[in-house]
Amino acid sequence: AQKITQTQPGMFVQEKEAVTLDCTYDTSDPSYGLFWYKQPSSGEMIFLIYQGSYDQQNATEGRYSLNFQKARKSANLVISASQLGDSAMYFCATANTGANSKLTFGKGITLSVRP
Amino acid sequence: GAVVSQHPSWVICKSGTSVKIECRSLDFQATTMFWYRQFPKQSLMLMATSNEGSKATYEQGVEKDKFLINHASLTLSTLTVTSAHPEDSSFYICSATNPGGANTEAFFGQGTRLTVV
Repeated sequence: AQKITQTQPGMFVQEKEAVTLDCTYDTSDPSYGLFWYKQPSSGEMIFLIYQGSYDQQNATEGRYSLNFQKARKSANLVISASQLGDSAMYFCATANTGANSKLTFGKGITLSVRP
Repeated sequence: GAVVSQHPSWVICKSGTSVKIECRSLDFQATTMFWYRQFPKQSLMLMATSNEGSKATYEQGVEKDKFLINHASLTLSTLTVTSAHPEDSSFYICSATNPGGANTEAFFGQGTRLTVV
């Protein structure tokens, strides 16, 4: 069984500042992946970043980086130099690394970037 | 990256009618697709796993006769909401994993906003 916990209330950040979105997970799978998706008001799900459970280094994708702490079962997303277009809902998710594995999502966090 | 196309993006239908939503993988073959439902400000809830050439696997609590899933080809899965009622109004979104991709990233369709009046 897999579970994702996102407990932060709505988050606010000033434009150009960095923000951390928290995610903790629980899984019985020995090999798993952690994902972050962005969902703007249009509803589309935009893939941001992926971290494999056996990856030695934290994943980075442009302004996005994932602070992976395996022992603590946390996979926090760090967004640097926030932009107004970053305002959206952010979902953390996990899946085992088998083919065609289904994603389990957290409840999401709303991020608002202030000008 | 891989593209998944979902159609229609929004639909309004009368109570009691059926609505079909299509999910297509445009540049890869997807033996498995997933259908999610999302209420406003809430998370994505998995409804069912659509398997090409076989019956879908439904999550607990999802009525299979209400939400018909057909995955007749490697690039198309359809979700039909039968005898729709206002409580079926929601955002429905599909996803597929590219088996030839570098990781297990799921690609999502644009979503369908269903309103039953």
